[in-house]
Amino acid sequence: DAGVIQSPRHEVTEMGQEVTLRCKPISGHNSLFWYRQTMMRGLELLIYFNNNVPIDDSGMPEDRFSAKMPNASFSTLKIQPSEPRDSAVYFCASTPPPGGSDNEQFFGPGTRLTVL
Amino acid sequence: GQQVMQIPQYQHVQEGEDFTTYCNSSTTLSNIQWYKQRPGGHPVFLIQLVKSGEVKKQKRLTFQFGEAKKNSSLHITATQTTDVGTYFCAGGTSYGKLTFGQGTILTVHP
Repeated sequence: DAGVIQSPRHEVTEMGQEVTLRCKPISGHNSLFWYRQTMMRGLELLIYFNNNVPIDDSGMPEDRFSAKMPNASFSTLKIQPSEPRDSAVYFCASTPPPGGSDNEQFFGPGTRLTVL
Repeated sequence: GQQVMQIPQYQHVQEGEDFTTYCNSSTTLSNIQWYKQRPGGHPVFLIQLVKSGEVKKQKRLTFQFGEAKKNSSLHITATQTTDVGTYFCAGGTSYGKLTFGQGTILTVHP
């Protein structure tokens, strides 16, 4: 299995530009999570989906952030317009349906975003 | 909302010394998970604890879940340089959402 796939791995953009981060969860997983990691704030949950439906978006910082999951194999996190304080590593993670021994989250490699 | 506190923030040890990180939740947890993140990498699942007072071992790593299901610890015996990284605890709910602690950064000096 290829694991969770994220693209791009690195993104450098200028303030005000739109940024789109992409995630392909592990096939068969039905929950998908977007996290942001910074030194100051640690690992923060932004939003998560279950069966393609957003369940909890209380961690989305503000209206500049939006996330979609049009199908079971693809999700996007968009920032528009981007600001320097959005610079962070963004992780996507997925989990299989409940019923297994552990409901561990499988993380992708992350996208390192730098907003100048 | 649920808060998960983890201490210490940093721990520097000499190779061969033991290491412990502690995790405390503001609310009773359904389960607790532990993850390890190597420098420049992504969090990788280590273990999940579900039962009150549960203790699990993985080689040199011992994980405990408190009786009240509000605290947990990870103990590493005789650290090795390969143990370097950040260790996170994450409090789980019955519907899969995790709240991560701030992590403990472990440095091991050879």
